[in-house]
Amino acid sequence: DAGVTQSPTHLIKTRGQQVTLRCSPKSGHDTVSWYQQALGQGPQFIFQYYEEEERQRGNFPDRFSGHQFPNYSSELNVNALLLGDSALYLCASSLGPTRGGTEAFFGQGTRLTVV
Amino acid sequence: TQLLEQSPQFLSIQEGENLTVYCNSSSVFSSLQWYRQEPGEGPVLLVTVVTGGEVKKLKRLTFQFGDARKDSSLHITAAQPGDTGLYLCAGMASGTYKYIFGTGTRLKVLA
Repeated sequence: DAGVTQSPTHLIKTRGQQVTLRCSPKSGHDTVSWYQQALGQGPQFIFQYYEEEERQRGNFPDRFSGHQFPNYSSELNVNALLLGDSALYLCASSLGPTRGGTEAFFGQGTRLTVV
Repeated sequence: TQLLEQSPQFLSIQEGENLTVYCNSSSVFSSLQWYRQEPGEGPVLLVTVVTGGEVKKLKRLTFQFGDARKDSSLHITAAQPGDTGLYLCAGMASGTYKYIFGTGTRLKVLA
C-alpha cells in the first residue's frame, strides 16, 4: 500500500520564478492538505483540497494556489518566488469528512530553495 | 487563534533516562496527533487521541490526552538513541479542517 508520495524531493529556483509541486495521496484517501515548514519550525497550513475544490485556506498570499485532480492527486503552485518561500513543503492526505477522517499522513516533503 | 505550545523546545538526555514532552493550549481540540520527524523527512504519525483522559501506549511511549481535551503529554521510558528526532503535536482546529502544529520538541538521546 503506497503512502503519500511527493515530487520532486528537492528543487532550486530563482527569485521571481514559478514552481509546481506534486502529491499523490495514500491509497483510499480523498483529501489533500499542503503545509509549509520553515527550518526549525512546525508545519504551517497552506490549504486543503477535497472533491477538487479548495475547502480551506491558511494565511498565505494568492501567490500560492493549488489544484486537485479527479484521481485525488494534487499540485501546489507558487508564483513570483521570494527568498522567504524557501522551506520544506509537505503534503498530507486523509479521509474526507463523510468518512470520519481525523488522521493526516504526510509525504516525505519537497525541499524548495529559492536563490 | 488556536495555538499549541510545546515544552521543552530542546531536550538532550542520556540513553536509559525517562522524559516527558508537553503540548498545551487554551483551546479545545476534537482530536490530537503526535508525530515524529527526522531531518529532511515528513512527519510520521505516532498516535491519535480523541477522548478526554485517554491514554495510549506504543511500546515505550505513553500518550495522554487531557480531560478537557486542551493538552496532551508524551512520556518516553528508557529512551534510546533511535528516539532522537523532532516531536510534534497537532490538533484539528474546531470548526475547521486544518491541523495546527505545536512548535516542536527536538530530542537528542546520547548513547
